[in-house]
Amino acid sequence: GIQVEQSPPDLILQEGANSTLRCNFSDSVNNLQWFHQNPWGQLINLFYIPSGTKQNGRLSATTVATERYSLLYISSSQTTDSGVYFCAVVNNTDKLIFGTGTRLQVFP
Amino acid sequence: EAQVTQNPRYLITVTGKKLTVTCSQNMNHEYMSWYRQDPGLGLRQIYYSMNVEVTDKGDVPEGYKVSRKEKRNFPLILESPSPNQTSLYFCASSFINPGYEQYFGPGTRLTVT
Repeated sequence: GIQVEQSPPDLILQEGANSTLRCNFSDSVNNLQWFHQNPWGQLINLFYIPSGTKQNGRLSATTVATERYSLLYISSSQTTDSGVYFCAVVNNTDKLIFGTGTRLQVFP
Repeated sequence: EAQVTQNPRYLITVTGKKLTVTCSQNMNHEYMSWYRQDPGLGLRQIYYSMNVEVTDKGDVPEGYKVSRKEKRNFPLILESPSPNQTSLYFCASSFINPGYEQYFGPGTRLTVT
């Protein structure tokens, strides 16, 4: 089945720094989503981005479906950005497959 | 406000005592699903529903039941909870299938002693 790998697994930043999170997937997909799980456990949908680029405030995402990867950019990071970031794709049996996650810690 | 709600948010119970976790969405979504999240195992799908009266097993359905009598509600039932069902549970919904934007509930942290 489809494999979804994320890198880096862990990331520690100081407030104000920028970062790029990567999501690689092993098969062609026509959908990709990015989620943020905050320290309280809540899962928030950040982007639905099967292709192209989207921006939402300090966050933006780019998916290059033909090359099977997606990038999540966080600029001017804040402590509230801490948590785990997941990408997820749907496989050919309509199952949502989550990536391995990137744990981000932002310190003041 | 478009949202998925779950209740209760926290629950501590004892082995064998039947419980129900409710899930409701107000977006008229057809697709709903339940996941559990455990350290080191990620998010695993328990059951899903493509529409009213249509439910199917996910990856870890043992020990769980669901029903979809109305479009907005998708309760998760544990008939006889066991300690290995201690977990963080999420309900999710999307427009037609998981290929659309997924909305997650706030999570239910369940402890079975």
